[in-house]
Amino acid sequence: SYELTQPPSVSVSPGQTASITCSGGKLGDKHTCWYQQKPGQSPVLVIYQDSKRPSGIPERFSGSKSGNTATLTISGTQAVDEAEYYCQAWDSSTVFGGGTKLTVL
Amino acid sequence: QVQLVQSGAEVKKPGASVKVSCKASGYSFTKYAIYWVRQAPGQRLEWMGWIIAGNGNTKYSQKFQGRVTITSDTSASTSYMELSGLGSEDTAVYYCARSYNYGYDYWGQGTLVTVSS
Repeated sequence: SYELTQPPSVSVSPGQTASITCSGGKLGDKHTCWYQQKPGQSPVLVIYQDSKRPSGIPERFSGSKSGNTATLTISGTQAVDEAEYYCQAWDSSTVFGGGTKLTVL
Repeated sequence: QVQLVQSGAEVKKPGASVKVSCKASGYSFTKYAIYWVRQAPGQRLEWMGWIIAGNGNTKYSQKFQGRVTITSDTSASTSYMELSGLGSEDTAVYYCARSYNYGYDYWGQGTLVTVSS
């Protein structure tokens, strides 16, 4: 079955740039989405189709892809961005990555 | 505004079934698919299946095939997810979400299903 791999945790200082990666076979051929999930809350879509930002999502969130690795970048990270982040892609069905805990120190 | 409102928490015994509802508002229900995703404690999100609300076509994850049934009632703008043969491993938060450009742009608040004897 298809799998997406994310680092379990990423730490960043306030105001710095955080990068979270997501890798999977032939991910370069698939559309990638990113979700932010805070404890006890539902996921929130922050990036779709690799690099598009839904309305209402701050500009500091951006997405990119190179080969089979997608990256979520948060510029000028704020304390409010501390959350779990999941990547998601389609491969005949929806697949989610294992999640990355972003800690803003 | 778009909202997906799910039914409340459930406690079920092993072997029982559970049916969770997801009422949509703020958009044309029949123009989007509704997906069902679950999240066991400390685990990743897991896709269960989807329904095209307008015509009732469904697709289920192989993992849940035979145990899950997703339906929709267009007159009530509501989707339902029923899971049978519950075991302790089915204890999770169950979400419905609206499809959007290969992702999900609106999510329900989640329904906690606890399976315990």
